Amino acid sequence: DVKVTQSSRYLVKRTGEKVFLECVQDMDHENMFWYRQDPGLGLRLIYFSYDVKMKEKGDIPEGYSVSREKKERFSLILESASTNQTSMYLCASSLESGAGRNEQFFGPGTRLTVL
Amino acid sequence: GQNIDQPTEMTATEGAIVQINCTYQTSGFNGLFWYQQHAGEAPTFLSYNVLDGLEEKGRFSSFLSRSKGYSYLLLKELQMKDSASYLCAVLETGGSYIPTFGRGTSLIVHP
Repeated sequence: DVKVTQSSRYLVKRTGEKVFLECVQDMDHENMFWYRQDPGLGLRLIYFSYDVKMKEKGDIPEGYSVSREKKERFSLILESASTNQTSMYLCASSLESGAGRNEQFFGPGTRLTVL
Repeated sequence: GQNIDQPTEMTATEGAIVQINCTYQTSGFNGLFWYQQHAGEAPTFLSYNVLDGLEEKGRFSSFLSRSKGYSYLLLKELQMKDSASYLCAVLETGGSYIPTFGRGTSLIVHP
């Protein structure tokens, strides 16, 4: 069974702290994604990666960085957390495919609160 | 770029049928997904349409009209557990495998 896991379901951090959110998938997927989800704004793409050590900015990369050292693991880093980064963070993965259905599989999410 | 529009909220009665619409504008269409997301949980894949017409899967069906930039998700014999957000996501041509999501429709099913 396909699985995407995230390191924490709930996280509380203080302003200025460095925050690491980890995501692991066991499906040997090439593509991995980080989204944040806020009420009324839907899912917004922060960063994505299509291969090990490769990364691309999404729609809202400011204040975030990512790391993909191994195919199965994609980390989201908040270098200096701020209160406006309080949100639900969702990781997803998908197969590399030039055509056809390649749906994303999502992790359970991490609800981050920055105080 | 893309512009995806779906209603913010809908309510329906248990046992009824509900249709959730999604309209989109894109320079090159390459497929449309519907996902279901229960409160506090991850989105899960429901359907994928790339050709015009209706795809049926049990109580759920999804329809696509590429010429109209329009899709709908049809839920029959509604159950309380169908209360969730339903996300429409569109893929563009150009080799991108990254869908753009609409803001989601929150469906409330009441007895």
